[in-house]
Amino acid sequence: NAGVTQTPKFQVLKTGQSMTLQCAQDMNHNSMYWYRQDPGMGLRLIYYSASEGTTDKGEVPNGYNVSRLNKREFSLRLESAAPSQTSVYFCASSLDTSNTEAFFGQGTRLTVV
Amino acid sequence: GDSVTQMEGPVTLSEEAFLTINCTYTATGYPSLFWYVQYPGEGLQLLLKATKADDKGSNKGFEATYRKETTSFHLEKGSVQVSDSAVYFCALREGTGTASKLTFGTGTRLQVTL
Repeated sequence: NAGVTQTPKFQVLKTGQSMTLQCAQDMNHNSMYWYRQDPGMGLRLIYYSASEGTTDKGEVPNGYNVSRLNKREFSLRLESAAPSQTSVYFCASSLDTSNTEAFFGQGTRLTVV
Repeated sequence: GDSVTQMEGPVTLSEEAFLTINCTYTATGYPSLFWYVQYPGEGLQLLLKATKADDKGSNKGFEATYRKETTSFHLEKGSVQVSDSAVYFCALREGTGTASKLTFGTGTRLQVTL
């Protein structure tokens, strides 16, 4: 059972470079999310997609864009990477009811130098 | 808006000790509450959940009770093991559809020693 798959697992970028983090889920979930995890700050929501064709900003959207390509895939793009975007990024998915949990990918460790 | 407050770590315990990790929340309605666990180098996994007041979630010897009167969801385990060493996150989810997002606490690192 694949669940939520993220690629790549590790990435080093130079300031100003762009990249796209990929995420796919095989659980037929409607909702998908991108979080970043920083020491002492827990997980903060960057963007989410409640259903195919919709995306909304979360708590920390600046510097990021997202695309819900289809029901399975939800990508996160950094157009011009900055050192402040050094973080661990997690993709998650869930059914869209309040009493259900989210399932997480293994994370992408991104370093911007 | 919604928020979750967890006790700061790290929490260091000897094997077989009793564990409590405190979690309190602020929400406008009646959220569902969750505990997630993150082992080193991995993503988050659901540990347990409770969806209404007075519900008790339990899994792998861990328990937490949804206390609406104190807006709390404290995590407990009677006898911890070295393999329980991880970071534990309390979270809430309120609403449905487009409004339904998980809000996390900052996480509490647990280290269990022999």
